[in-house]
Amino acid sequence: DTEVTQTPKHLVMGMTNKKSLKCEQHMGHRAMYWYKQKAKKPPELMFVYSYEKLSINESVPSRFSPECPNSSLLNLHLHALQPEDSALYLCASSQGDSKSTDTQYFGPGTRLTVL
Amino acid sequence: AQKVTQAQTEISVVEKEDVTLDCVYETRDTTYYLFWYKQPPSGELVFLIRRNSFDEQNEISGRYSWNFQKSTSSFNFTITASQVVDSAVYFCALRRSGGYQKVTFGTGTKLQVIP
Repeated sequence: DTEVTQTPKHLVMGMTNKKSLKCEQHMGHRAMYWYKQKAKKPPELMFVYSYEKLSINESVPSRFSPECPNSSLLNLHLHALQPEDSALYLCASSQGDSKSTDTQYFGPGTRLTVL
Repeated sequence: AQKVTQAQTEISVVEKEDVTLDCVYETRDTTYYLFWYKQPPSGELVFLIRRNSFDEQNEISGRYSWNFQKSTSSFNFTITASQVVDSAVYFCALRRSGGYQKVTFGTGTKLQVIP
């Protein structure tokens, strides 16, 4: 089963709101990722967690705060976002083992609109 | 630095026609992995294939086939007898060897299959 789930599917928020995006996988993967995708562009990596530790932060503004409560869950906490943060946010997971071929499997994404 | 080029921004074909999506990559690594992902309008990135740099065997899966040529740094994707359900954006991607490495995506090719 190569399923990554994400909630919510759609989110509309104001610039002063605080919200969270959630991602879950049950494939036993130890690496999880957040990507941001603007319209007609490829996904851009934001964060990578490996074995529940933040391994890569691609210089993302602090208004985005990732959290990995356990090996199956990944959250992205949002606070004081700007309209330009409106995008599709994709979660992915992979085995994360340096010996593996490490294919990333993606969830359906959350479409975020910031008003 | 790694780079993936998908020169075709948009392609339109009539149903049942064959279509080839081009992908050219640049890397200094000797070991790397190439991927194709499909992104339908719903947004989810669907994994299609992974190819190791040391395996130049072409692959066929149903109506899909992939041609990997190291000599020209290309990894092209052909859909035979296209169907309307093939309409999507297709991304070619490149990753270094090792766990949770950053994936470099091409800019994507939007395929429209007209009934």
